[in-house]
Amino acid sequence: AQSVTQLDSQVPVFEEAPVELRCNYSSSVSVYLFWYVQYPNQGLQLLLKYLSGSTLVKGINGFEAEFNKSQTSFHLRKPSVHISDTAEYFCAVRKQGAQKLVFGQGTRLTINP
Amino acid sequence: DAGITQSPRYKITETGRQVTLMCHQTWSHSYMFWYRQDLGHGLRLIYYSAAADITDKGEVPDGYVVSRSKTENFPLTLESATRSQTSVYFCASSEIQGKGYGYTFGSGTRLTVV
Repeated sequence: AQSVTQLDSQVPVFEEAPVELRCNYSSSVSVYLFWYVQYPNQGLQLLLKYLSGSTLVKGINGFEAEFNKSQTSFHLRKPSVHISDTAEYFCAVRKQGAQKLVFGQGTRLTINP
Repeated sequence: DAGITQSPRYKITETGRQVTLMCHQTWSHSYMFWYRQDLGHGLRLIYYSAAADITDKGEVPDGYVVSRSKTENFPLTLESATRSQTSVYFCASSEIQGKGYGYTFGSGTRLTVV
């Protein structure tokens, strides 16, 4: 079975600073990887996904993530955050050929002015 | 409007009562899912459905019942609500084809059991 660990439950950063949200996964088979964002009182929106090919994936709102197979990681980064990035971020994994997504526990990103 | 809608947005119910959360999607996606979101647990899968009349248990199915008589609807019923079922519930859908498709989520139902 797959599992996902988000290493930080909360990450506070100052506005315009860079940020990295960490995600590690475990799986015995090939997987697809996703990052979702949840703004307050809303559902989840897809930020980006890794399917195959280039290990650096770019998503919406200036976010990117890098797939590292040897370290089984899929960390999310943004070079300069804005107040509007305040949200909860979820990493998720899906086994290739399967439909079920397995989510991490989430990381709450707080941007301080 | 096209999309996935959940109703109600907010619900307060008493322990022991039956309550049904509704989910409706307009894309004719084959797969539909119910998750619950709790602090410290992220999202946990309750039930999912691969097509009309096909459902299966997820990680935390106890105390819940689902049905899917039509492709576009996937209601979730709490047969006898308990305080531990206080949570935010999300419905999602996904196409069967497309290896890389993630899910599309509804806006959630915040359920409080008192």
